[in-house]
Parts: sequence; C-alpha cells; structure tokens
Amino acid sequence: KAGVTQTPRYLIKTRGQQVTLSCSPISGHRSVSWYQQTPGQGLQFLFEYFSETQRNKGNFPGRFSGRQFSNSRSEMNVSTLELGDSALYLCASSSGTSGDTQYFGPGTRLTVL
Amino acid sequence: DAKTTQPPSMDCAEGRAANLPCNHSTISGNEYVYWYRQIHSQGPQYIIHGLKNNETNEMASLIITEDRKSSTLILPHATLRDTAVYYCIATRNTGNQFYFGTGTSLTVIP
Repeated sequence: KAGVTQTPRYLIKTRGQQVTLSCSPISGHRSVSWYQQTPGQGLQFLFEYFSETQRNKGNFPGRFSGRQFSNSRSEMNVSTLELGDSALYLCASSSGTSGDTQYFGPGTRLTVL
Repeated sequence: DAKTTQPPSMDCAEGRAANLPCNHSTISGNEYVYWYRQIHSQGPQYIIHGLKNNETNEMASLIITEDRKSSTLILPHATLRDTAVYYCIATRNTGNQFYFGTGTSLTVIP
C-alpha cells in the first residue's frame, strides 16, 4: 500500500497570506489528523477528520481550519499567516477505529516571511 | 491521556541493544502505550504499541511492567540509522489525537 502523501513538501509565504495544505491518506483509511511541529512547542494536535466531519479539535485559533472530502483526502487551511505559523505540518491517517495505529506523512515545511 | 516522562537523551553503541524507558504512572486500564520515532524533520514513524502484554515486531520489542506504570522500548541491535527522537505515548486513541511529549533523543555511536 502507498503511504500517506502530503503536498506540497515545502512552501514559502508572507505574513497575511493564506495557505492550503493537502493530505492523501493510506487507501481505506477514513481518519486524517493534522499536527503542527515547531521547535518551541513540539508536536501539537490540530484537528481530526473522520468521514468528512471534524471529530476532534486541538487548541488552535480559528485561522486554522480543515476539511475532508468523500475520498478521505483532507486539506488544511491557514488564513492571515503569522511568522509563528512557520512549522512542519504533519498529517496522519488511520482507520478511525479506537486503538488503531496512526501513520504519518512526510510533512509540509511552511516558512512564513 | 496519561502524561509520559522520558529521559531527554541517551547514547548507545552501534550493535548493542538500546533500551529506552518511559514512565506513565497515571495510565488507565484502557490506555495503550505507543512508540514512534522521528528522524530529523521527517514524519514520525510508527514502531510498536501494546496494552498489557509485551510485544515484539521486526523493529523492536516493547516491555510493559505488570502494573503498567512504565515501559521499555528495546532496539535489539542498534544501527546508525536508529539515531532519532523516540516518543512514548499513552493514549486511549479515541479520536486519533496523540499528545507527544519531548521524547528521547537517541544517538547511536559508531
């Protein structure tokens, strides 16, 4: 099976712009979770989508949003970018069943100038 | 999810077993112990997980104490490619939200 894919792998934006990141889960997986990783805060959970519905949400401002399509692919959007949004954004997929393993993609490195 | 505590760093000689400890003293009965590792700026890689019993796969072994308050990840023959940050997570894994701590930075020395 192909793994989790994320596009683009690298992105440079300026403050105030918005950005959309994409994640394609492993075939058959219905759950996609998003995480932000920064040197100062480590890996932090953003939100999780399951069957096109946001099922869980971390403690991030409303500028961070997402959605999931019927084929389980997910997008994450960050509006009005700030310098502090520079991070590695990771998505993880799983079947969505309690106790099932999450598999991570390679991440998208976002730099905000 | 239970809080986990790991040493910030460890060294291991190449070819020797690497034993990475994790404390999860407040773990509840339905929480699993997961181990992931992250090689510099790549996505975390799943290693192994368990609930009560010890587990082994092609990558590693997981030893969970009888009271489930701590666990040890064992890499039987460490190689240079095992140099990474290792994360221990205790979670019910409902809603697929993992809370990652600071992990253990393992350096395998030639």
